Amino acid sequence: AQSVTQLDSQVPVFEEAPVELRCNYSSSVSVYLFWYVQYPNQGLQLLLKYLSGSTLVESINGFEAEFNKSQTSFHLRKPSVHISDTAEYFCAVSEWGGSEKLVFGKGTKLTVNP
Amino acid sequence: DAGVIQSPRHEVTEMGQEVTLRCKPISGHNSLFWYRQTMMRGLELLIYFNNNVPIDDSGMPEDRFSAKMPNASFSTLKIQPSEPRDSAVYFCASSSQVSNSPLHFGNGTRLTVT
Repeated sequence: AQSVTQLDSQVPVFEEAPVELRCNYSSSVSVYLFWYVQYPNQGLQLLLKYLSGSTLVESINGFEAEFNKSQTSFHLRKPSVHISDTAEYFCAVSEWGGSEKLVFGKGTKLTVNP
Repeated sequence: DAGVIQSPRHEVTEMGQEVTLRCKPISGHNSLFWYRQTMMRGLELLIYFNNNVPIDDSGMPEDRFSAKMPNASFSTLKIQPSEPRDSAVYFCASSSQVSNSPLHFGNGTRLTVT
């Protein structure tokens, strides 16, 4: 069975600072990896995903994540954050060729301060 | 595309009462998921359906919880009788039936049991 660990429950940063949200996973098979974002009082939205190919994936709003198989990690980064990036971020994993069941981490609350 | 629609947005009820949460998935999506989100346990998968058939209900906490999907455009999650510890935000999500398809979440139902 897969599992996901998000090491930081809260990350406060100042506007325009860089940020990294950490995610490690455990699985006995190959996986797909996802980052979702949840704004207050809303459901989760897909931010980016790694399926295969290039290990660096990017979102349209400047976030990127790199799949590192040897370290079983999929950390999320942004070089310069905005106030509007304040939200909770969830890392998730599903099995290659398996069911579409997603296993989520417990989330990291990112707070961007002025 | 109206997205995943959940109702009600908020539900406040007394312990012992029956609660029914409703979900309309995105048209054309074959898979439907019910998640529960709490501060303590994060996002937990309760049950999911493929083509209206329950595939994995191992996350359903007790017999007090039941879910149905009578057709491709509607699902319910019922709690009977409700208890204060059931207080949480319940999310419905839908996706295409492949393991790398992203989930599309509704805005959730915030349940408070007093």
